[in-house]
Amino acid sequence: GQQVMQIPQYQHVQEGEDFTTYCNSSTTLSNIQWYKQRPGGHPVFLIQLVKSGEVKKQKRLTFQFGEAKKNSSLHITATQTTDVGTYFCAAGTTDSWGKLQFGAGTQVVVTP
Amino acid sequence: KAGVTQTPRYLIKTRGQQVTLSCSPISGHRSVSWYQQTPGQGLQFLFEYFSETQRNKGNFPGRFSGRQFSNSRSEMNVSTLELGDSALYLCASSRGGAADTQYFGPGTRLTVL
Repeated sequence: GQQVMQIPQYQHVQEGEDFTTYCNSSTTLSNIQWYKQRPGGHPVFLIQLVKSGEVKKQKRLTFQFGEAKKNSSLHITATQTTDVGTYFCAAGTTDSWGKLQFGAGTQVVVTP
Repeated sequence: KAGVTQTPRYLIKTRGQQVTLSCSPISGHRSVSWYQQTPGQGLQFLFEYFSETQRNKGNFPGRFSGRQFSNSRSEMNVSTLELGDSALYLCASSRGGAADTQYFGPGTRLTVL
């Protein structure tokens, strides 16, 4: 069935550096959402993308939805220690019968 | 507005026992979804309740069940616990349903010994 692949699984980043995490699907997505889970916490909604090629920014975070609506990316600039956590993408698809398919997440560790 | 609350926060049970977890959604949200989170399997969708009816179900055995009350509060029950049921159980509420923005509660950490 439909799977949402998220890469990389782990990301070690030096404070101040940039990094990108990717979310890929083999089928067209109706929308994509991004969540962040801090260590010991619960997932918190960050943003939703719906339109082909859509780009949204939240301070140092830039979210993009691919033109074909099969992939998405989250780019963080000038990483800070507060960015530590696991970032999940969650996709709505026509086959997912009204529920989200969560990616496995990218666990981000920031070295000061 | 108060967020999603879950009780209890931590639970230790032994194999074969059953457990009931509770979730109170954000006021005005009629949809409550349950997820199981483990290091190996990530976030797995269990089921969704909307207006007291199960509207969506994931691929979990019948030992996992739930219900929703008229005030939108939801409970999840797991019978005949197995070691592999040890996980963080997250409840999420939303306005529109399980494909809508999910507002997660803090979770219940279940350990099965």
